[in-house]
Formats: sequence, structure tokens, C-alpha cells
Amino acid sequence: GQQLNQSPQSMFIQEGEDVSMNCTSSSIFNTWLWYKQDPGEGPVLLIALYKAGELTSNGRLTAQFGITRKDSFLNISASIPSDVGIYFCAGASQGGSEKLVFGKGTKLTVNP
Amino acid sequence: GAVVSQHPSWVICKSGTSVKIECRSLDFQATTMFWYRQFPKQSLMLMATSNEGSKATYEQGVEKDKFLINHASLTLSTLTVTSAHPEDSSFYICSASGVGTDTQYFGPGTRLTVL
Repeated sequence: GQQLNQSPQSMFIQEGEDVSMNCTSSSIFNTWLWYKQDPGEGPVLLIALYKAGELTSNGRLTAQFGITRKDSFLNISASIPSDVGIYFCAGASQGGSEKLVFGKGTKLTVNP
Repeated sequence: GAVVSQHPSWVICKSGTSVKIECRSLDFQATTMFWYRQFPKQSLMLMATSNEGSKATYEQGVEKDKFLINHASLTLSTLTVTSAHPEDSSFYICSASGVGTDTQYFGPGTRLTVL
């Protein structure tokens, strides 16, 4: 079945630093999504990407849909303590309202 | 944005009993709802997909007789864990998509602990 490889598994950074994480897949996805999950809560959508090559920003977050449709990355600039959490990428063969395949997550720790 | 709620937020039950978890779309009609399971420090694993008025489609390895899913209306889906055992203890999360949404929106999750 389809699988997503997400890296790094965890990151420890200082407040103010930039962060980058990525996901790769062995198969093509037509939609890439990035979520953040806080402990004991459901995932919250950060950015949705629907077109190969698309670069989308949401405040300090920027994500890109790889041109091959097999990868995506998420950048966080000037990190702050509330960025702490687990970030998941997810891919869908069709739209984001369809069945999703999730990456294993990147746990981000930000030291003040 | 679209809002999805779950009830209860946490539940503790005895082994052998059944537990029902509700997932509601509060401000849109959810034609499709998804149920996920998440073990500690792991990713979300899709259990099943349900379309309103139809039988749920279960992922490989998920026992449909153990995890009963009902999606009888456009705003409510339920997951019933039957004859629960300690290994069923997990974080169960639903998501919903439907009319007016371009993606799926997640509920806050339900923590199930089976003693």
C-alpha cells in the first residue's frame, strides 16, 4: 500500500530558528496536506496543496507540493514556543476530502 | 472553518463492555466521515470510511464486527467498540468532509481506556 516517509522524526531547536521537514512517497499523490497535532487533541490543518509545484504560505509556514507529486516540504520560520507539537504530512490520491495516508510525524520542540 | 465534535472526550470502561463514540459535524453536512485510531507516539491509522446512508468500508485488518460504524445522518456518525479489551485502549479520532468543504476536518478525539 501507499506509504509516506516523513523526516526528521524529531527536532529540538531554539526559539527564533527556522525549521524544515519533508515527506516523500513511493507513489504519486494529487493532494498534500500538513497538519499539527497538540497532545490529546485532533490534527489541525495548516496548509493544503492541490497542484504540483505549488508553493503556499500561511503566516510563518510555507509548504510546497513537489513537482514529481511524490514529495512535499513544510518550513516554519522564526519559530516560537507555541510551535511545539507534532506535525504530520498527509497525501490523498484525489482531493483532501478523500481517504488520506499519513506520515509518521515530526515532533518539534522549541526551547525558549 | 468547519467544526467537528466528538463525544465523549474520554471514557474508561471495563473489559467486555461496549463503548459508543459519537462524531458530529456542527456546521456542515458530512457526506463522508472517517474513523482513525492513534496509539501513543504513533501516526493516525485509518480504520474505516463511512458514507451517509451506506455501510462503512473498513481498512484491511480492522474487524468490522468489533468496530461497528453507523452514519445514519448527515451530521452524525458513531463508532461502537464491542466487547472492548485492554488492547483496544487508544485515541480514536474522526474526521468529516462534505457539502461545502474541500478537505476533511478532524474532531478533537476520544481517549478510550479499557481496564
